[in-house]
Amino acid sequence: DAGITQSPRYKITETGRQVTLMCHQTWSHSYMFWYRQDLGHGLRLIYYSAAADITDKGEVPDGYVVSRSKTENFPLTLESATRSQTSVYFCASTSSSNTEAFFGQGTRLTVV
Amino acid sequence: GQQVMQIPQYQHVQEGEDFTTYCNSSTTLSNIQWYKQRPGGHPVFLIQLVKSGEVKKQKRLTFQFGEAKKNSSLHITATQTTDVGTYFCAGPYSGGYQKVTFGTGTKLQVIP
Repeated sequence: DAGITQSPRYKITETGRQVTLMCHQTWSHSYMFWYRQDLGHGLRLIYYSAAADITDKGEVPDGYVVSRSKTENFPLTLESATRSQTSVYFCASTSSSNTEAFFGQGTRLTVV
Repeated sequence: GQQVMQIPQYQHVQEGEDFTTYCNSSTTLSNIQWYKQRPGGHPVFLIQLVKSGEVKKQKRLTFQFGEAKKNSSLHITATQTTDVGTYFCAGPYSGGYQKVTFGTGTKLQVIP
């Protein structure tokens, strides 16, 4: 029962580098989401996807790119990392019939 | 845009005391969800409320949805150290049932 997994769990990268965070779910959930969590801001939606090849911006999409070629995968790419993107990133998924979100374990990203 | 605020931001209670967190939305919500995040962990779904004035209980936890469907509360009776964590409410984005906006969260610390 793998559920939803994120990799890597921890990542340190340099300013200006491209970095990709991976998210994989085994439930065939239609919807997948990327959130970032920062102290004092709660969870903010970066991008979401309603199905394979369908993605849309959330609350804070600038500096991020997503793709969803397969239902089970939803990678998040920081094209040119900045220090302000230091955060904990959570991937989540929901089925089309239920809004209960299942979260991955999170990726702690530090941009130096 | 839609905003979901929670108060208080932090709460320290003595073990055995009660605890309440309040969630307020700037818009009417079709439903509201509550999540718990343990320190170092990921958000875990607790419950969803849908009906105006709805009250649900889970052991020592009581959840309420306001009559106007713009506010909600979570009340914990006789807190235990296992209740430590951050509690988030979440409501769907306007026009996007599967997308949710998370509140800012209430961090609960229980002093044994």
